[in-house]
Amino acid sequence: KAGVTQTPRYLIKTRGQQVTLSCSPISGHRSVSWYQQTPGQGLQFLFEYFSETQRNKGNFPGRFSGRQFSNSRSEMNVSTLELGDSALYLCATRVATNEKLFFGSGTQLSVL
Amino acid sequence: EDQVTQSPEALRLQEGESSSLNCSYTVSGLRGLFWYRQDPGKGPEFLFTLYSAGEEKEKERLKATLTKKESFLHITAPKPEDSATYLCAVQEKGGSYIPTFGRGTSLIVHP
Repeated sequence: KAGVTQTPRYLIKTRGQQVTLSCSPISGHRSVSWYQQTPGQGLQFLFEYFSETQRNKGNFPGRFSGRQFSNSRSEMNVSTLELGDSALYLCATRVATNEKLFFGSGTQLSVL
Repeated sequence: EDQVTQSPEALRLQEGESSSLNCSYTVSGLRGLFWYRQDPGKGPEFLFTLYSAGEEKEKERLKATLTKKESFLHITAPKPEDSATYLCAVQEKGGSYIPTFGRGTSLIVHP
């Protein structure tokens, strides 16, 4: 069974630009969550989507947004990038009623 | 105040030197506590779920235990390949299924 796939693996952007990250879940997993990981803050929850609807949202500004498509693939967008947005962005998926998370390898975003 | 605190932040062991990692939590009711392992450049990988005080789970050289206030991840006779960051996460009863993660313990096992 293929794992969670995130693209791209690395991104370098400059302040003020926007970026879109992609996540393809494990087949059959309809819940997709996004996390930001930094050395200082650890893993911080961004949002969760289930059946194309945002079900939960973390404490991040509106510059961070996401969506989920009918095939459960998800995208995350960050607009007006700031230096502090440099981080590893992780996607995690799970079967609807199973609490265990399966993570992708992440997208390493560097904002210059 | 952090709901999940892991200690130590970093731990260096010699191969074969057993030790324990700690995860303390402050939620009003625990739905579940999770341990994950994260290797450099990769996403976290699930290890264990614990649900109630007194519960224990084992996998190879790892054993996770749970009390009402904390969990321990015991590493017996570690090998260099056990080097990784170990993350603890808790789910609170009555809330969403979104786990709150600790900042992790970075473990290095020297040969």
